Amino acid sequence: GAVVSQHPSWVICKSGTSVKIECRSLDFQATTMFWYRQFPKQSLMLMATSNEGSKATYEQGVEKDKFLINHASLTLSTLTVTSAHPEDSSFYICSASGGQELYGYTFGSGTRLTVV
Amino acid sequence: LAKTTQPISMDSYEGQEVNITCSHNNIATNDYITWYQQFPSQGPRFIIQGYKTKVTNEVASLFIPADRKSSTLSLPRVSLSDTAVYYCLVGDGGTGGFKTIFGAGTRLFVKA
Repeated sequence: GAVVSQHPSWVICKSGTSVKIECRSLDFQATTMFWYRQFPKQSLMLMATSNEGSKATYEQGVEKDKFLINHASLTLSTLTVTSAHPEDSSFYICSASGGQELYGYTFGSGTRLTVV
Repeated sequence: LAKTTQPISMDSYEGQEVNITCSHNNIATNDYITWYQQFPSQGPRFIIQGYKTKVTNEVASLFIPADRKSSTLSLPRVSLSDTAVYYCLVGDGGTGGFKTIFGAGTRLFVKA
């Protein structure tokens, strides 16, 4: 079946540094990918929609200069958390449309970011 | 985007059938209903999708009444490993790249 690979699965970084998270569709082409963040015991919150070859569309309240999204190919989207601070610590998840034989979205396994 | 409403939590025992109902009163004509399962520290996993009536696969059934304003996910004979959060989503179903908004989900706890 369709697989979305997300890397790294966890990362610890110092406050003020930047962290890049990769999201790859392994066996299908994903024109559109989505990025979410999830705090403990809460639901997924959509951050942005990433379209191949164009600028990402950010949800209201999400700082585009802080969360840089690049979707350079049909199989790769990256999320860079710039100048990370402890409040950016969260679980980040990507998803892609086009997998599951056209039904449903396929999600990555998530990245646990801890900023110290 | 159609908003969904689900019970916050449910408890069950191993071997029982569990039914989780989701309300989506303003579902659009082109919307599909999709259910996902999420374990702690993992991404959501597709369970089942439907448009109307009944859909069944190897892990669950989905019942959708004629007015499509609600849907019920049925998990037969749950086990401890079914303890997870279940999300009901309403939208294009993953084919058109339209954004997917998650509701609060239902936290299912299966007891021995």
